[in-house]
Amino acid sequence: NAGVTQTPKFQVLKTGQSMTLQCAQDMNHNSMYWYRQDPGMGLRLIYYSASEGTTDKGEVPNGYNVSRLNKREFSLRLESAAPSQTSVYFCASFHAGGTEAFFGQGTRLTVV
Amino acid sequence: GENVEQHPSTLSIQEGDSAVIKCTYSDSASNYFPWYKQELGKRPQLIIDIRSNVGEKKDQRIAVTLNKTAKHFSLHITETQPEDSAVYFCAASWEGAQKLVFGQGTRLTINP
Repeated sequence: NAGVTQTPKFQVLKTGQSMTLQCAQDMNHNSMYWYRQDPGMGLRLIYYSASEGTTDKGEVPNGYNVSRLNKREFSLRLESAAPSQTSVYFCASFHAGGTEAFFGQGTRLTVV
Repeated sequence: GENVEQHPSTLSIQEGDSAVIKCTYSDSASNYFPWYKQELGKRPQLIIDIRSNVGEKKDQRIAVTLNKTAKHFSLHITETQPEDSAVYFCAASWEGAQKLVFGQGTRLTINP
């Protein structure tokens, strides 16, 4: 039982490049999330997916797109990376409201 | 929507002292209140949670209290140890909720 798996763990991009962060969970959870965490800051919600086939914007969606490929996978795409997107990105999942959320190990992204 | 406020943002205490972190929430429908601990460079992990039908819950040195009337809940850590140093996040959710709303985080430092 791997829980929530994110790839890659580290990435350096040049301004304007694109990339996709991958997230997969094996706990049969309905809801999946993408957060970003800047140094010394809290967790800010980028996008979430309450169920397969649905996605909604969170607190800071600009510059990002997401895809809920199936129940297991939820990807985050940066179409044209900017230095302001340098951050640690966490994927998380939970079954429904009122249950524990599980986090992936994080992706440390640097945009130069 | 739900909003969670967390205080203080930083807390520095001596080893052996007690730590208290407080959170307030806005949505009276919230009935699930977890606390997460994030050690440096790691993912947030659940340490304790409480549901609205319970006023207090303890697990060894940590406890959480809930006041539904006042819409606030608190984390208490007694006999603090250096390994308690971390960032702590409170959160709120409810049955069937699509989101888990986090507080801003508290950086706890235990000085030997």
